Amino acid sequence: DVKVTQSSRYLVKRTGEKVFLECVQDMDHENMFWYRQDPGLGLRLIYFSYDVKMKEKGDIPEGYSVSREKKERFSLILESASTNQTSMYLCASSLGASGNTIYFGEGSWLTVV
Amino acid sequence: QKEVEQNSGPLSVPEGAIASLNCTYSDRGSQSFFWYRQYSGKSPELIMSIYSNGDKEDGRFTAQLNKASQYVSLLIRDSQPSDSATYLCAVIGNSGYALNFGKGTSLLVTP
Repeated sequence: DVKVTQSSRYLVKRTGEKVFLECVQDMDHENMFWYRQDPGLGLRLIYFSYDVKMKEKGDIPEGYSVSREKKERFSLILESASTNQTSMYLCASSLGASGNTIYFGEGSWLTVV
Repeated sequence: QKEVEQNSGPLSVPEGAIASLNCTYSDRGSQSFFWYRQYSGKSPELIMSIYSNGDKEDGRFTAQLNKASQYVSLLIRDSQPSDSATYLCAVIGNSGYALNFGKGTSLLVTP
C-alpha cells in the first residue's frame, strides 16, 4: 500500500512564526503535492513537485514555499504564519506519468493564533 | 480557472437505495477523473478512477464518464450508513499532474 506520512498531525503556532510541515512517501513516487482544505472552499493546490528540486506553483502559493531535496520528502514552509493560514494541510503523491492516481496523507491540522 | 462543480447536498438516501452523485468539469482537455470519499476529520481516500467514456464498476460503486457532456457521476448501490461521507470529484487536465477538486457532495444514508 502507498504510504504518505505527515509527521505533524496537530500544530498550534503563533502569528509570525516560521512553520515547517513535513511529508514523506515510501513508494518512490516522482510527484508530490501540498493542498489545503477549508470549509466551503474545498481542496486547493498550494505547490507541487514533479522531481527532486523542482517545484511548480499551484492555485494559492502566496505565503508558502516548498523544499524537495530528496525524492521521498516534500516540505511546506510558512515563512511567517498568519491566522488566515489556519487550515488542514494535505500532502499527496503520485507516480511520474501525468494522470496517475494521487494518494493522500492523513493531514496536518494547523492553528495559527 | 478550470472548474469542477458538484452539488453540495446534503443528499439523503435510505439504506439499501442507490445514491447518485454528479459532477461537471469545464476543461474539455481533461483526461483523468477520480472519486474520493472523505469522512469528517479524515483525509480523502480514493474510491475509483475512470479515464474512458462509459461505465466502470467496482463492487457497489459505478463511475460513469461522458466527455462530450463533460460529466462524470458516481452511483453507489445498496447504500449503507457507513457510506455517509463527503464525496469529492477530482479531475486532472491534459498533460497535468495535479488534481482539481470539486467542493464535494455530502451524502447521508439513513437506516
